[in-house]
This record gives sequence, structure tokens and C-alpha cells, in this order.
Amino acid sequence: EDQVTQSPEALRLQEGESSSLNCSYTVSGLRGLFWYRQDPGKGPEFLFTLYSAGEEKEKERLKATLTKKESFLHITAPKPEDSATYLCAVDNYGQNFVFGPGTRLSVLP
Amino acid sequence: NAGVTQTPKFQVLKTGQSMTLQCAQDMNHNSMYWYRQDPGMGLRLIYYSASEGTTDKGEVPNGYNVSRLNKREFSLRLESAAPSQTSVYFCASSMDLLPYEQYFGPGTRLTVT
Repeated sequence: EDQVTQSPEALRLQEGESSSLNCSYTVSGLRGLFWYRQDPGKGPEFLFTLYSAGEEKEKERLKATLTKKESFLHITAPKPEDSATYLCAVDNYGQNFVFGPGTRLSVLP
Repeated sequence: NAGVTQTPKFQVLKTGQSMTLQCAQDMNHNSMYWYRQDPGMGLRLIYYSASEGTTDKGEVPNGYNVSRLNKREFSLRLESAAPSQTSVYFCASSMDLLPYEQYFGPGTRLTVT
């Protein structure tokens, strides 16, 4: 069965303390991996799509990378406004996403 | 552009009551989706509509029905609500089915007592 896991479940960082979030997947085939940000009480907001191993994408303090078995979301010098839950989702050539449970990030001032 | 809108934002139902959650998008997207989100679990797909006039079951369709009213609107109906349906419901849309990214509405928080 196709599965997506994320670690850690929760992460607390001091402002400026860089770190990485992990998304691991076991799927029969990968057509694309998506990262979303979700603020409390709101719907997920699209961040990135990665299609092949070795691909990287950046947006402000965020950089997403992809290998054959996992993806990392690197957060460089985070600010309190980066606090959110980060979700990854896999397109396994099915009709729809397989979502991971998310990583809850808190950045303290 | 409003993007994806959902009504209502909050709802409390008693077991056995029925209700319809409404969703509309103004991005001219072909595909629309209904998800539920429960604590500690990923978003789970309830139903989706690849294009106007079509609907298909997702991962957790039991207890729900949907209607794709037109290209803009996709509604989700609970015929006889159960406490297990207490959840946050999200509507989403995309240009077409995967590999296009999906855009989400703000959600409806439903409590069934």
C-alpha cells in the first residue's frame, strides 16, 4: 500500500535556527511530490512541486529537494511567520494525492 | 479572484440530521475535490469530480454524496450525520486531475453530537 510519512511530527526552532523537515514515501511509482503550508484554521497553500530525483526548488527561506525515497524541506534562518504545518503529498500515478500527516513547525522569536 | 470558497465555516449537527456543504471556485478549473482532515491523519479524499458532469469515489466515501452542479460548484451532502463524521472538511480545485497542483478553500469545521 502506498504510504507517505513525515518527520518530525512537531518541531520548535528559535528564530534564525535553520533545520529540515522530512517526507518519506513508499509508492509504486512517483509522478510528482508536492509541498503545502497550512496555517491554523485555514486550508493548505501550495508551495512546490518536484518531479524527479535531484530536483530542487526555492522560495524565500524555503528550499525543497527530492531523492528517490524522500523529500526534504529546508528552512533557512526561519522567522516566526514561518510557523505552520507543512504537508507533503505524492502523486503516485493515481487519480489523486496521497497526503502525509504533516509536520507542525513553531518558530519562536 | 476569491479562489475557492466554502460555506458554512462552522456547523454543529445532531446525530441523524442532514446537511449540505457548499463549495465554489472562480479559477475556471475543471477538477474539484472534497477532503476531510482529522487530527494526526493526512487529508483523506472523500469524492472528486474530474470535470463537469462526472463524480468518483475517493478513499472514504461512505456516508457522503456529492453533486457537481456546474463547472464552478461542487457540493457535499451528509444524509444522516454520525459522530464519526466530526471533522474539518476542505474543498479543493485544480486545472485538471493530477499532476496539477490543487488549491484549497478555507474549510468547514463540522461537529456531530
